[in-house]
Formats: sequence, C-alpha cells, structure tokens
Amino acid sequence: GDSVTQMEGPVTLSEEAFLTINCTYTATGYPSLFWYVQYPGEGLQLLLKATKADDKGSNKGFEATYRKETTSFHLEKGSVQVSDSAVYFCALSDPSGYSTLTFGKGTMLLVSP
Amino acid sequence: KAGVTQTPRYLIKTRGQQVTLSCSPISGHRSVSWYQQTPGQGLQFLFEYFSETQRNKGNFPGRFSGRQFSNSRSEMNVSTLELGDSALYLCASSLGMEKTQYFGPGTRLLVL
Repeated sequence: GDSVTQMEGPVTLSEEAFLTINCTYTATGYPSLFWYVQYPGEGLQLLLKATKADDKGSNKGFEATYRKETTSFHLEKGSVQVSDSAVYFCALSDPSGYSTLTFGKGTMLLVSP
Repeated sequence: KAGVTQTPRYLIKTRGQQVTLSCSPISGHRSVSWYQQTPGQGLQFLFEYFSETQRNKGNFPGRFSGRQFSNSRSEMNVSTLELGDSALYLCASSLGMEKTQYFGPGTRLLVL
C-alpha cells in the first residue's frame, strides 16, 4: 500500500539556520503531495502542496519540489524562526480518486533563539 | 470563510461508554474525512463521507462509525469505548473532487 517516510526528529536548529526535512513516498499512480504543520494543542494546517511531478509548492518561506524520479518531497526553508517550532507532516493523497491522506510519522522541529 | 469546526474540543469518558463527535466543514465543502492521531500510531484514516455516503473506510473496528447530513456536517460515533481509543480525533473537509483537505482543531478524547 501507499506509505510516507519522514526523517525522525527532533530536528534542533538555531534561528536563521537552513532547514531540510526529508520525505520519501511509495505509491501506485500519481498522488498529490502535501506538507502540514501542527502547533502544540492544535489541528493540522496546510503548509504547501504539489500535484504533479516537478511542481514546487511554496508558502511562508517554505518550499518543496515533487521529485518523481526519487519519489521525494523534501521540505526546505532558508532561514528558520523560533515561531516555526512545530511538528511537520508529509502526506500523500490516495491516487485512486478519494481524498484520503496517508501521513508520515511527523518530524518535530525545535528552533532556539 | 470560516474554517472547519469541531465540537466538543475535549471529552473525558469511561470504558464501555459511547461518544459522539461533531464536525462542520468549510462552507461549500462536500467531503468530510476523519482521522485518529495517537503518539504510537500517528495519524490514521478512519473514514470519508461525500454527499451523505461513506465512500472510503480505514482499518478500524465496527465500533467506529460515522454519518454525514444533507448540510455536509458530519458526526462520528465510538461505541463501547476502550482505553486505547484515547486520542485526538481530527476532521478534515475538502471540495470532494479537489484533493486538498483542511483540518479542524480536533477533539481530544480521554478514556478512563
């Protein structure tokens, strides 16, 4: 079945450091790919998405490129802030047509001043 | 446009009881999905409703059920609660044909 693998956390960075969170996937067909962010005590917020190969999703300084050849969708940000501290989830949609999402286990990011 | 709302936000129940959680999707969204989030299992898909019909279901026992009303609002029910049902239950809505899902704040259920 479909699956998403994310790097284990926590990832600890100093403010203004470069961020990469790795995400690879296994799926039949051509899923859409997503990054969601979860702040403590809250639900998931959509961060960015890409719907086809070579698409780049971007939002709030975060970027990720849909790489079909490496089945990857790595999240990057050039300069993190303390307010970026949260748990980040990579997800793929069910290629069969449903809206169902398959999630990775999440990566906690801790940014210190 | 208002986001996805879930009620209640917190619940405490005891083993053997049943519980009903409610979700109101974003206006115009016809698909509602439910997920369970636990520290051990992560985010797991429960079921999806579209136009009052369940069109996809995850691998959960029959104690977990749901329904969707004509105004797209959805409820999920868990009967005969077990300690392992303690979790954050998240509802998400989408347009249906569009894959992007938008999540509510969740209902945190504690089973004692």
